[in-house]
Amino acid sequence: GENVEQHPSTLSVQEGDSAVIKCTYSDSASNYFPWYKQELGKRPQLIIDIRSNVGEKKDQRIAVTLNKTAKHFSLHITETQPEDSAVYFCAASYGQNFVFGPGTRLSVLP
Amino acid sequence: EAQVTQNPRYLITVTGKKLTVTCSQNMNHEYMSWYRQDPGLGLRQIYYSMNVEVTDKGDVPEGYKVSRKEKRNFPLILESPSPNQTSLYFCASSLSRQGRGYTFGSGTRLTVV
Repeated sequence: GENVEQHPSTLSVQEGDSAVIKCTYSDSASNYFPWYKQELGKRPQLIIDIRSNVGEKKDQRIAVTLNKTAKHFSLHITETQPEDSAVYFCAASYGQNFVFGPGTRLSVLP
Repeated sequence: EAQVTQNPRYLITVTGKKLTVTCSQNMNHEYMSWYRQDPGLGLRQIYYSMNVEVTDKGDVPEGYKVSRKEKRNFPLILESPSPNQTSLYFCASSLSRQGRGYTFGSGTRLTVV
């Protein structure tokens, strides 16, 4: 079955710096890759997604890149702000289901 | 407002006492799923459903049951809860695998003593 790895597990950056979280997947048939943000005590919320026919997608300060050949995709957050502090989960489609990575706890230090 | 509604938000129960956590979505989504979230273990899927009367096991189905008699509802049943089922539970739904991933409910924090 599909296996999704995510690195790093924790990440601390200074406010204004960039943050990058990387995920790898195992099933070459996966074709949809969403990213979720979970603030403390809240539900995971979709922040950006990318399909396999696209190499990069950007939405304001966040972007996602996909390398299908290498089976990895990354979340990039620029000009980080304290409100970006949260746990971020990547996911990959698997059949008609999704498999989540284990999460990355991002802390943005003022 | 489009949403996934879970009830209750918090529940403390005793070992062995059957309980049901309800989940309802108003978006006409085909796909629904239950996850449990434990510290350091991320989101682990319990069961999922691709449509009415179609359910399948996720990664950690032991000790849980589900049903999908109607498209909008996907209750999670614990027939005989045990302390190791103390966790934060999320219900989620999606239009289809071509849709925009899952929309999550607010979560149910379950404590089994």
